Amino acid sequence: DGGITQSPKYLFRKEGQNVTLSCEQNLNHDAMYWYRQDPGQGLRLIYYSQIVNDFQKGDIAEGYSVSREKKESFPLTVTSAQKNPTAFYLCATSIRDTYEQYFGPGTRLTVT
Amino acid sequence: AQKITQTQPGMFVQEKEAVTLDCTYDTSDPSYGLFWYKQPSSGEMIFLIYQGSYDQQNATEGRYSLNFQKARKSANLVISASQLGDSAMYFCAMREGLRGYQKVTFGTGTKLQVIP
Repeated sequence: DGGITQSPKYLFRKEGQNVTLSCEQNLNHDAMYWYRQDPGQGLRLIYYSQIVNDFQKGDIAEGYSVSREKKESFPLTVTSAQKNPTAFYLCATSIRDTYEQYFGPGTRLTVT
Repeated sequence: AQKITQTQPGMFVQEKEAVTLDCTYDTSDPSYGLFWYKQPSSGEMIFLIYQGSYDQQNATEGRYSLNFQKARKSANLVISASQLGDSAMYFCAMREGLRGYQKVTFGTGTKLQVIP
């Protein structure tokens, strides 16, 4: 089945540790995105990538890093520099030049 | 200024009734598009409907329709014949621009609860 996989669904970390969230897709979409969602708020863009080996900062990139070595994969690292990392993280993809974004099931990260 | 405004934090609707979720937007770009997404308690975002700024007719997808009033900069979602499974958060979103990367901005959402 075609789709977007994010693992794990729930992730717990201690403060000061880096953590990497996985996003894999087999839709053959060119563009991939990472969003953060906090309670009572909409989605805010962290990073996006339109092609392999290229990515751009979104609105809230500080404290995060990404890589895009393969078309299918766009992992997000939440570094210790991120002040408030506890949130729900959503990965999305889109076919280049079209508008609809397809979302993965999300990862809920809790940092204590 | 907020680019997408959803003024209804929560709404209730009786099962089988229609409901309208409000969305207003702000952009100076002549080319833009408006989306509605549904987010159930499981967390994933489900695409519902899309309206382009140059589309002449209001978009419809099954029980979903988008009431697009360009002059008022509003793009309300109408759900007809509500079902219990419609209970979820609903987000309005907008993309701006015609070429290259088109950033999508999301509103803060409306929580819809369908009452049996």
